[in-house]
Amino acid sequence: AQSVTQLGSHVSVSEGALVLLRCNYSSSVPPYLFWYVQYPNQGLQLLLKYTSAATLVKGINGFEAEFKKSETSFHLTKPSAHMSDAAEYFCAVRGGEYGNKLVFGAGTILRVKS
Amino acid sequence: EAGVTQFPSHSVIEKGQTVTLRCDPISGHDNLYWYRRVMGKEIKFLLHFVKESKQDESGMPNNRFLAERTGGTYSTLKVQPAELEDSGVYFCASSQYRGIRETQYFGPGTRLLVL
Repeated sequence: AQSVTQLGSHVSVSEGALVLLRCNYSSSVPPYLFWYVQYPNQGLQLLLKYTSAATLVKGINGFEAEFKKSETSFHLTKPSAHMSDAAEYFCAVRGGEYGNKLVFGAGTILRVKS
Repeated sequence: EAGVTQFPSHSVIEKGQTVTLRCDPISGHDNLYWYRRVMGKEIKFLLHFVKESKQDESGMPNNRFLAERTGGTYSTLKVQPAELEDSGVYFCASSQYRGIRETQYFGPGTRLLVL
C-alpha cells in the first residue's frame, strides 16, 4: 500500500543552520509528491511539488526538495533556517492507486532556535 | 482573489449534538475536498466533490457524516450525532481541475472539539 513516512515528529535547528526534513514514500510506481507547510493558526500552504519533471524542485521561501527514486525519498531542505520557518511541515503523495486524493505523512514540527 | 474559507473556525459541542461545517472554495474551482486530522494522527481524506457530485467518498468514516454541495458552490459537512472521536481539525481544499498534478488549496480548517 502507498504510504508516506516522515522521520522525526519534531526537528529543532538553530537560526542559520541547515534544515532537513525527511520524507519517504512506499509505492511501486513513483507518485506525485508534495510538501505543505502549516504556520500557527493558518491553513496548509503548498511549498513545492514534484510532478515527474526535474528531480530537484525549488519552492517558496528558499525551500527545495529532491526526488530520489532509488531511495523512494523526497526530503525537504533549506540552507539557512529563519525564525519564520517555525511551523509544521507535511509531505504528501498523490496518484496511482490513491487517485486524486492527497495521502499525508504524520507531519514534522520544525522549531528554530535563536 | 479570496482563498478557501471555512466556518466556523472553532466549534465546541457535546457528545450527541449536531454540528455543521461549511467550506467556500476558491471561485471557479469545481473540485472540493474534505480532509480531517484527528489529534496526533495524519491528515486523512474524507471525500471529493466535482461540482455538486460526489466523486469519491471512500474516506467518510461512517454514516454519521453527511457532506453536501448543492449547486456546486459551497459545501457543508454535517456530523450527527457527534462522538468524542470526531474531535479534530477539518480541512477543506479546492482545485480548478481534477488532474493529480493540480495544486489543492487549503482553507484554515475548523477545529472541532466534542466533549
